[in-house]
Amino acid sequence: AQTVTQSQPEMSVQEAETVTLSCTYDTSENNYYLFWYKQPPSRQMILVIRQEAYKQQNATENRFSVNFQKAAKSFSLKISDSQLGDTAMYFCAFMKHASNDYKLSFGAGTTVTVRA
Amino acid sequence: DAGVTQSPTHLIKTRGQQVTLRCSPKSGHDTVSWYQQALGQGPQFIFQYYEEEERQRGNFPDRFSGHQFPNYSSELNVNALLLGDSALYLCASRGQPGSPLHFGNGTRLTVT
Repeated sequence: AQTVTQSQPEMSVQEAETVTLSCTYDTSENNYYLFWYKQPPSRQMILVIRQEAYKQQNATENRFSVNFQKAAKSFSLKISDSQLGDTAMYFCAFMKHASNDYKLSFGAGTTVTVRA
Repeated sequence: DAGVTQSPTHLIKTRGQQVTLRCSPKSGHDTVSWYQQALGQGPQFIFQYYEEEERQRGNFPDRFSGHQFPNYSSELNVNALLLGDSALYLCASRGQPGSPLHFGNGTRLTVT
């Protein structure tokens, strides 16, 4: 079974500054996907960024980037130039790389508050 | 292009009752999965449906059952409700393997 650990329950950041969220996971799989999802008060889970384990290059999406360390089983998310709209709960998630496996295993989440 | 839609938005039930939640996947998606998210926690996988069959199941009792229809929409049924079933229930859909899941806004179930 896969476990995903987010050790920071809450983070606070000043608008325009940078914040980094940590995530570690435990798996015996070699091929898998890692995700960061954002859940604002509207409740909808929104995909922020996705990383395929066989790709060494870290994924980036505009102001969001990851630091993927496969050997250390670490997958941190950096939010640059934080905006008020980034305030939300952020979840790290794991999925096996298998055509018949659609299960996402989530961490407990990190609440990010961006201060004006 | 409509995303994943869930109904109802909120629901209040009494212990022992039964509930049915509904989900329509994003256009072009044929696989639907359900997650339970307790307050302040990450979502937990309940099960996944593809081609009208349950293909994967998480660690949930048989009180949780589901169905997928020919148009790919899905229902989640929970029997003999317990107070601990109070949670946000999220539906997610997906198209081809490797593509990310798309989530709906969820149904907030309160059991009193």
